[in-house]
Amino acid sequence: EPEVTQTPSHQVTQMGQEVILRCVPISNHLYFYWYRQILGQKVEFLVSFYNNEISEKSEIFDDQFSVERPDGSNFTLKIRSTKLEDSAMYFCASRDMDRQTYEQYFGPGTRLTVT
Amino acid sequence: DAKTTQPPSMDCAEGRAANLPCNHSTISGNEYVYWYRQIHSQGPQYIIHGLKNNETNEMASLIITEDRKSSTLILPHATLRDTAVYYCIVSVLRASGGSYIPTFGRGTSLIVHP
Repeated sequence: EPEVTQTPSHQVTQMGQEVILRCVPISNHLYFYWYRQILGQKVEFLVSFYNNEISEKSEIFDDQFSVERPDGSNFTLKIRSTKLEDSAMYFCASRDMDRQTYEQYFGPGTRLTVT
Repeated sequence: DAKTTQPPSMDCAEGRAANLPCNHSTISGNEYVYWYRQIHSQGPQYIIHGLKNNETNEMASLIITEDRKSSTLILPHATLRDTAVYYCIVSVLRASGGSYIPTFGRGTSLIVHP
């Protein structure tokens, strides 16, 4: 069964450093998403991406964040200058373009630790 | 999106049916009911969704009341691997590109015990 993959599984970085989290969505999916979950908190939407552009973003997704689909398979989330409060699990998700299919397939997540 | 209310926790014996309730009394006519679950720090997993009619798939059944103000997710034969946090989400299928963004609440922590 196809699945969303994410790398790395755990990333440790120092405050102020840039990080790139990588995701490989399911191959025929056209909608892509990033979510984050701070330890013990809710899963929070960050951004959705369709047709090579951001379709929606939350208040969390400020100028420090950016997303990119550099090739036909990868979908990346970049945090330019990490802060301690960016420590969280980051989940990538993808969805088929079929309007009758509402399910999003989530990846296993990347645990980001900012020290 | 309409607000949902779920009990914070429930437990169920292995092999028995797990019935997880969700109240969404302010749901509007074009809002769907979705259920996801999250098994210990893994990514959320889609379970099922519905609008008005009851739905069933290989994972679960979704029973929506006639007035659509509440619903119940049924896991017919719960196993230990069903221990997870279950999220009931009500959302509109947005017109722009058919996108929908689930808003996750606290959910119900279901513990299935032997």
